[in-house]
Amino acid sequence: DARVTQTPRHKVTEMGQEVTMRCQPILGHNTVFWYRQTMMQGLELLAYFRNRAPLDDSGMPKDRFSAEMPDATLATLKIQPSEPRDSAVYFCASGYQSLPRSNEKLFFGSGTQLSVL
Amino acid sequence: QQQVKQSPQSLIVQKGGISIINCAYENTAFDYFPWYQQFPGKGPALLIAIRPDVSEKKEGRFTISFNKSAKQFSLHIMDSQPGDSATYFCAASKDRGSTLGRLYFGRGTQLTVWP
Repeated sequence: DARVTQTPRHKVTEMGQEVTMRCQPILGHNTVFWYRQTMMQGLELLAYFRNRAPLDDSGMPKDRFSAEMPDATLATLKIQPSEPRDSAVYFCASGYQSLPRSNEKLFFGSGTQLSVL
Repeated sequence: QQQVKQSPQSLIVQKGGISIINCAYENTAFDYFPWYQQFPGKGPALLIAIRPDVSEKKEGRFTISFNKSAKQFSLHIMDSQPGDSATYFCAASKDRGSTLGRLYFGRGTQLTVWP
């Protein structure tokens, strides 16, 4: 059963430390998203890629966050330095953009629960 | 600024009843309106979606009603079951027909179905 795999599932770190979250999209998917979920803001887009090229990272604080796709099977989200307000669940999602559009579907991973103390 | 407004925040329904969740949007450029279901500890999962060229879409017990002129859409869950207890998110997107564009989510509705 194909699924989006995120690691780690849980991360507790101290303020100022670097955090790296990884995502393995479903094989063959060409579009990858990073969303963040908090009680205060809900689900919000941080960045997304198509064919490994960044399309929109307007939701990401550029001074501390970075998102990359080193290859088609790996997406990373880094926070350096981390702050307590970064505590959230970070979701990766992937899909394959195709025609007809009715064949497209977005699949979410189970998320990385980040706590910054 | 919340691009998609969702209500109610929480909903309690008896087994067998109808659950109704409402969403409203302002941006007329939105051309794709999905609903996602999320269980604790899991990511959102696509439940059902609609485009603005139709007023209703039904899949099993789940129906989306879409009112383009009012810029509102709603999810109806018929014969609600305890297994439907989850958080439901409406969303909207504008990516020239693609369903894989940036999603603007509502704040979510926590549904509890009592047996």
